[in-house]
Amino acid sequence: NAGVTQTPKFQVLKTGQSMTLQCAQDMNHNSMYWYRQDPGMGLRLIYYSASEGTTDKGEVPNGYNVSRLNKREFSLRLESAAPSQTSVYFCASSRGQGGTDTQYFGPGTRLTVL
Amino acid sequence: KQEVTQIPAALSVPEGENLVLNCSFTDSAIYNLQWFRQDPGKGLTSLLLIQSSQREQTSGRLNASLDKSSGRSTLYIAASQPGDSATYLCAVRQFTNAGKSTFGDGTTLTVKP
Repeated sequence: NAGVTQTPKFQVLKTGQSMTLQCAQDMNHNSMYWYRQDPGMGLRLIYYSASEGTTDKGEVPNGYNVSRLNKREFSLRLESAAPSQTSVYFCASSRGQGGTDTQYFGPGTRLTVL
Repeated sequence: KQEVTQIPAALSVPEGENLVLNCSFTDSAIYNLQWFRQDPGKGLTSLLLIQSSQREQTSGRLNASLDKSSGRSTLYIAASQPGDSATYLCAVRQFTNAGKSTFGDGTTLTVKP
């Protein structure tokens, strides 16, 4: 089992460019999440998906869109990147649809927006 | 709004020492609390999950306790080793919007040989 995988691992964008962060899990989990981690602000939830076909906003959804492509994959899209979106992005998954059990995290994508 | 605090922000101990990491939260109506470990440049690894109905959970040298009424959880690490050096984060889930976790900023632990 690879667990939760994320691509790319590193990315540098210019202001206004767009990109999609990919996430996949092979644990047959129902719930998936996107977080960002910033120094002094901890991990903050951007979006989450309790099951295939559903998504819900988290604490900091502005500037992002998500797609739950199927049960395995959950992508995060930045339509017009801004320097404030420089961060480390983590994808996570958990088994239950309510998202109440153990979360498993991917290795992260380090994004810099110039 | 739930707030999660971890004090101290950093801790340095000699190898072999027993230690306690603290996590406090402002809203006691939680569904569960999870402790994670994060190594530099890496993702988070789950250590222990405590449901709101439980008082503690144990895994090897780790023991996590939960006191909902006081809004506190502790992570006890026995006989610390240099390999335990990492940042430890706690996260709580509310009864409402249980899919959404609130994380603390973490305690960075250094265990010196």
